[in-house]
Amino acid sequence: ETGVTQSPTHLIKTRGQQVTLRCSSQSGHNTVSWYQQALGQGPQFIFQYYREEENGRGNFPPRFSGLQFPNYSSELNVNALELDDSALYLCASRRTGPNFETQYFGPGTRLTVL
Amino acid sequence: GNSVTQMEGPVTLSEEAFLTINCTYTATGYPSLFWYVQYPGEGLQLLLKATKADDKGSNKGFEATYRKETTSFHLEKGSVQVSDSAVYFCALSARTTGTASKLTFGTGTRLQVTL
Repeated sequence: ETGVTQSPTHLIKTRGQQVTLRCSSQSGHNTVSWYQQALGQGPQFIFQYYREEENGRGNFPPRFSGLQFPNYSSELNVNALELDDSALYLCASRRTGPNFETQYFGPGTRLTVL
Repeated sequence: GNSVTQMEGPVTLSEEAFLTINCTYTATGYPSLFWYVQYPGEGLQLLLKATKADDKGSNKGFEATYRKETTSFHLEKGSVQVSDSAVYFCALSARTTGTASKLTFGTGTRLQVTL
């Protein structure tokens, strides 16, 4: 186990609703990234947070937003849910600095949008 | 932009067979390379990594060598077990800006090992 935890494990929402997913990073890790993994695909980078600010973003619309808290835990918020948002959402944490590129993943939250 | 290409799956092998999963990449600069494994219903687990050319990553009998000249990072195992059945993802890590870096993944290769 990596020490990265995510909640909830599963979630079912309807189109147009909003959802918040949560992540606690591994002890000593100050950087959190979020990825979306559609069924049968590799994970896609959504964004990264460091020192409570977003400092990198993938090709996702603004309705995907996040927060990082002083204890380095993080939230992913998705507004106006669409059917295509159904996926496994993975949180990953790491330390920042030279030789600290390895990211450690949590078990994920499976979101189903109906 | 950066990209990772993996061989299509599924790969079906008998127990104790030799495994190769091909992975090639396109990237600017000098990325770090990773193999992650995903068991059914779970998140990603780091299997091995290599951070510079000619480095060999190894773990649990799996190996991969960072080949800059062929931009490849093929995964190998000499003798697979049923418990190795999973989806394997090749990935590269590259800096975006400042302290930011992101992983770029391949589409994954499903391995099924039978008795």
